[in-house]
Amino acid sequence: EVELVESGGGLVKPGGSLRLSCEGSGFLFSNAWMSWVRQAPGKGLEWVGRIKSKTDGETTDYAAPVMGRFAISRDDSKKMVYLQMNSLKIEDTAMYYCTTEKALRFLDRLYDAFDIWGQGTMVTVSS
Amino acid sequence: SSELTQDPAVSVALGQTVRITCQGDSLRTYYASWYQQKPGQAPLLVFSGQNNRPSGIPDRFSGSSSGNTASLTITGPQAEDEADYYCSSRDSSGDHVVFGGGTKLTVL
Repeated sequence: EVELVESGGGLVKPGGSLRLSCEGSGFLFSNAWMSWVRQAPGKGLEWVGRIKSKTDGETTDYAAPVMGRFAISRDDSKKMVYLQMNSLKIEDTAMYYCTTEKALRFLDRLYDAFDIWGQGTMVTVSS
Repeated sequence: SSELTQDPAVSVALGQTVRITCQGDSLRTYYASWYQQKPGQAPLLVFSGQNNRPSGIPDRFSGSSSGNTASLTITGPQAEDEADYYCSSRDSSGDHVVFGGGTKLTVL
């Protein structure tokens, strides 16, 4: 069965740190680009960042609101991807989903398909 | 603010056809993908690119693109299609992904 399972969420004070984990199974994890997407309570989806596969350089990209504070890493031997969150702000409060990202192309136009999603882990930043 | 704009809410009568739209300059360069999210659940990919419907998604879901607008059409929606729908695409930089604000679909 294809699955992603996140863990590590919880309550943290502003300025604190938290590391989220996501374990994949049922697919070739090492080939997958992995992204994190978050959703604040009652709000829409927000892309947080990605880590590409080792074959594609294992490079990372981040959304502007988390640049310099969050870091994504992966351990393909454990089929795990991590989101290290530092200097947390109240506005980082959200459900955090990990997802596989397929970067595809059709007639010279690129698009991304987030096709496997975890169930999410909740992060609450509050004093 | 989101670089992709969606109508906050759309309603459709059971069995009619509904089009959910997504507008943004980046859609002139990149295709969109569409996600369905029901309360308390993770998003579900329902359509991507020009013509990709994932396995298990009913063929009443289809997508299209013209100029700066991408559309998700549901032909003959069912009650279970009532959900929030989000579009996404690369942003103008080409490196990042952006989501639209979401459209709440009500099936009457």
